[in-house]
Amino acid sequence: DAGITQSPRHKVTETGTPVTLRCHQTENHRYMYWYRQDPGHGLRLIHYSYGVKDTDKGEVSDGYSVSRSKTEDFLLTLESATSSQTSVYFCAISEGGTGANVLTFGAGSRLTVL
Amino acid sequence: DQQVKQNSPSLSVQEGRISILNCDYTNSMFDYFLWYKKYPAEGPTFLISISSIKDKNEDGRFTVFLNKSAKHLSLHIVPSQPGDSAVYFCAARRTHGGSQGNLIFGKGTKLSVKP
Repeated sequence: DAGITQSPRHKVTETGTPVTLRCHQTENHRYMYWYRQDPGHGLRLIHYSYGVKDTDKGEVSDGYSVSRSKTEDFLLTLESATSSQTSVYFCAISEGGTGANVLTFGAGSRLTVL
Repeated sequence: DQQVKQNSPSLSVQEGRISILNCDYTNSMFDYFLWYKKYPAEGPTFLISISSIKDKNEDGRFTVFLNKSAKHLSLHIVPSQPGDSAVYFCAARRTHGGSQGNLIFGKGTKLSVKP
């Protein structure tokens, strides 16, 4: 299995509280991504990183921030969680380069905002 | 604006028969298409891909067909097995300039293979 670890795997929090999800990889891949999966929406890109301290927005970035201070760690932060951010969050990594850009996904973090 | 569409939310197939999952796209700049499989409580796993310059790619029981003129691709699973029961996501990539390009996913199709 690709070395991707997401933590926490499950979290319940209240509206207005800050939440940080962590993605850790042992593959030394350049690219890291955060997606959310919701019924009826499939997988949607929140933010991605193309190197240490290099990040960019995806299609559903409002309400989220990210940081990547080390190659192996990519953090997703909800500054003030809302019920609409209840979702399953997936981290993914890729080597980049030419070709199909195959993403390898982590097991997911289920977040419930009450 | 949904660029990658999987119009069938679910599909049920008998074991041993062919499963055909469909995907349509709107952006002619996509250069790669991928299929992912997802079991409950797990992350999606890569299944097969196809370049936009090809019209077919095969890997064991899985074959992906691409019809560029129709902006349509399909995943064929032959023969279908109960272990193939999962949600299947179609994804597309567009590169621009020197960038890596990101994947855009469809909403998924839930395949059920009945023994």
